[in-house]
Amino acid sequence: SQTIHQWPATLVQPVGSPLSLECTVEGTSNPNLYWYRQAAGRGLQLLFYSVGIGQISSEVPQNLSASRPQDRQFILSSKKLLLSDSGFYLCAWRSAGQGRQPQHFGDGTRLSIL
Amino acid sequence: GQQVMQIPQYQHVQEGEDFTTYCNSSTTLSNIQWYKQRPGGHPVFLIQLVKSGEVKKQKRLTFQFGEAKKNSSLHITATQTTDVGTYFCAGSGGYQKVTFGIGTKLQVIP
Repeated sequence: SQTIHQWPATLVQPVGSPLSLECTVEGTSNPNLYWYRQAAGRGLQLLFYSVGIGQISSEVPQNLSASRPQDRQFILSSKKLLLSDSGFYLCAWRSAGQGRQPQHFGDGTRLSIL
Repeated sequence: GQQVMQIPQYQHVQEGEDFTTYCNSSTTLSNIQWYKQRPGGHPVFLIQLVKSGEVKKQKRLTFQFGEAKKNSSLHITATQTTDVGTYFCAGSGGYQKVTFGIGTKLQVIP
């Protein structure tokens, strides 16, 4: 069966520090991968999605970036964190297709910027 | 771009009362999905609706997809404390991404 792993679960970082969040999927190949951010009490904001290795689509201009170095690995990065980057970051995968597959979410990373 | 609006944002109900959340899209959808996020957890897929006018049931939950495939609703009959959480609709126009509604946070008062 397919599983998704996301780490770390919680992270406290100072303003201006770098960031690297990692997400891996097992049990499937060529999945679509997604990074979302959820501010406290808010909805899900799509940040990036990828349909294949090295392919990244950015939804919101910001100081974050994403990379997909391997088929089932998705990384969210920043060179310098801002206070506004605080939130709950969720990685998700979905079987490749025309949008009729459900998304499966990881447990998320709670990021606090001090 | 595609927008998915969801109301209400918050709903408090007495245990045993019914609850409904509504979802409207600015464009015709290929399908709509519903997710539930428990407090402190991640969204979990509940169901997907594909056909115009489709109605699906999961125990006390009833999901509807509008005839024009631009709106949807989730109705919970006789809420229980286990229903607490945020319910999201997510619409797809047939491409690689879905657009999530802002979610409806349900509180059930015992």
